[in-house]
Amino acid sequence: DSGVTQTPKHLITATGQRVTLRCSPRSGDLSVYWYQQSLDQGLQFLIQYYNGEERAKGNILERFSAQQFPDLHSELNLSSLELGDSALYFCASSHDGRSNQPQHFGDGTRLSIL
Amino acid sequence: AQKVTQAQTEISVVEKEDVTLDCVYETRDTTYYLFWYKQPPSGELVFLIRRNSFDEQNEISGRYSWNFQKSTSSFNFTITASQVVDSAVYFCALSGLIQGAQKLVFGQGTRLTINP
Repeated sequence: DSGVTQTPKHLITATGQRVTLRCSPRSGDLSVYWYQQSLDQGLQFLIQYYNGEERAKGNILERFSAQQFPDLHSELNLSSLELGDSALYFCASSHDGRSNQPQHFGDGTRLSIL
Repeated sequence: AQKVTQAQTEISVVEKEDVTLDCVYETRDTTYYLFWYKQPPSGELVFLIRRNSFDEQNEISGRYSWNFQKSTSSFNFTITASQVVDSAVYFCALSGLIQGAQKLVFGQGTRLTINP
């Protein structure tokens, strides 16, 4: 158990819809990361937050947004969903977001777009 | 640019064989960190090891060992006396400065199947 909690585990929805994925970091970790894992793109970094502030952005679409709340949990919002958004979405956390720290991953949310 | 290459897409061996997973990386940073993660069939990503660019000592943890060679930009992972429970996708990753921020770049992964 990594200590990172992601909900829901599975999500099935239709094209055009909007969903919210939730992540609670490990106790004591201030930085949260979101990744997308798909068969064709592999593991892609989306965005990082540190103590409520956006720190780094990766290949995140404009239809996607995220935030980190004062209690340090984070949400990833995906809107106007397309078939290609079907993927496994991971949240990870680390203590202060420095590059020398391992990121500990949650179990992921599997998103299926029908 | 930061890049991680895991040339072996899939490896299949019989239980008790030794197996090495290759990882080659590219970076211009002088200080960087390398990681290995395991993704078993259940889907979660499990952290295995971190190595910094200044420490080229090999590391052994039980049946797992890692060989870091800066001269060849490689960070290979060997499983000795493999077991069926080792079956998983293994990812090598590099942490470095990309577009002004610290990011983790993953290789494409190697799917390892251990057959009984």
